[in-house]
Amino acid sequence: KQEVTQIPAALSVPEGENLVLNCSFTDSAIYNLQWFRQDPGKGLTSLLLIQSSQREQTSGRLNASLDKSSGRSTLYIAASQPGDSATYLCAVRGDTGFQKLVFGTGTRLLVSP
Amino acid sequence: GAGVSQSPRYKVAKRGQDVALRCDPISGHVSLFWYQQALGQGPEFLTYFQNEAQLDKSGLPSDRFFAERPEGSVSTLKIQRTQQEDSAVYLCASSLWAGAGNTIYFGEGSWLTVV
Repeated sequence: KQEVTQIPAALSVPEGENLVLNCSFTDSAIYNLQWFRQDPGKGLTSLLLIQSSQREQTSGRLNASLDKSSGRSTLYIAASQPGDSATYLCAVRGDTGFQKLVFGTGTRLLVSP
Repeated sequence: GAGVSQSPRYKVAKRGQDVALRCDPISGHVSLFWYQQALGQGPEFLTYFQNEAQLDKSGLPSDRFFAERPEGSVSTLKIQRTQQEDSAVYLCASSLWAGAGNTIYFGEGSWLTVV
């Protein structure tokens, strides 16, 4: 059974810092991996999707990497801003069956002005 | 509509009451998912529809949970005889095609509190 772990559970940084969020998964047979953002009381917004054949994806100040063989992904946020404060969730899709996403428990990020 | 719409947004139910949660996916989206998110946890898969067919219901926690999508668009998640452990956010999501590479769009969730 696929298990996804995110470290740290919570992170507090001053504005402007670069930071890294970590995600690990137990079964390397994945189709893709997604990073989502969740604001309090809101649904999930997809940030980056990395196919299993890819090593990284970039969008603005965000960069996600994937090392499928070791079961790890990182989300790098450059020059953090208070508006980045949210919970960040990592989710993987298996490469068999259909498309169920298995989520980690998330990292709660607080960026202080 | 422009996004996935869920109703009600908030529901307080007395223990033992039946509840129905509605999801309007993005128009034309083939795939529809339900997830359950307990406080402080990541979402957990409940069930998946491709059009009107329920292809996977392995995540439904008990036979008190039932989901349907009779015409391949709107879906309803029903919980019978609610219990306190059912308190959670119920998230609906849809994607255009059935392929795993397609972006999944989530609604804002229905927040259920059982008292």
